[in-house]
Amino acid sequence: DTGVSQDPRHKITKRGQNVTFRCDPISEHNRLYWYRQTLGQGPEFLTYFQNEAQLEKSRLLSDRFSAERPKGSFSTLEIQRTEQGDSAMYLCASSLALEPDTQYFGPGTRLTVL
Amino acid sequence: QKEVEQDPGPLSVPEGAIVSLNCTYSNSAFQYFMWYRQYSRKGPELLMYTYSSGNKEDGRFTAQVDKSSKYISLFIRDSQPSDSATYLCAMRPGSGGYQKVTFGTGTKLQVIP
Repeated sequence: DTGVSQDPRHKITKRGQNVTFRCDPISEHNRLYWYRQTLGQGPEFLTYFQNEAQLEKSRLLSDRFSAERPKGSFSTLEIQRTEQGDSAMYLCASSLALEPDTQYFGPGTRLTVL
Repeated sequence: QKEVEQDPGPLSVPEGAIVSLNCTYSNSAFQYFMWYRQYSRKGPELLMYTYSSGNKEDGRFTAQVDKSSKYISLFIRDSQPSDSATYLCAMRPGSGGYQKVTFGTGTKLQVIP
């Protein structure tokens, strides 16, 4: 297994456009997490899935953000009507449900909103 | 006040030095404590994971938790230039459903050859 992968690695978009990111977790991991990290800060939790169910959402996740994990495997994070404040690194992590503190992170998608 | 406080550094040490990295926290419900290493433009990598108070050692790394002082530490012995990275502490509460992991801001470490 090659670990958690994310696509794209970089995305530059104009304000107001919609963007979608993809995360492929480690295959046997049933939990998948999304975080956002801005420069000089630690990752901030956005949401997590156990299998296909989205079980927790941070209040940071405004109604412009939506995440899915339709078949309990890969996940997508969509941001509608992007704003400059959305510029950040979006990190995906996965874990086994029985080992929630052993999270494996992907390389992240760096979003720049112009 | 942030729930988790971490000195951002940067911290520069000579190769071979013992490095001490620390975090303080305010939420007494935190029970699980992690240290991650993050290289520039990469995702975090889990280094150590401890539960409640005490010490845990793994190779050159030792994690310490003092719940009475709400203080956790990571020690790196015989530091190497490859240890140059940002070190993030992270923690979460105990039992009962999902508990959000809260990260510190990270301490940037540079090990000088």
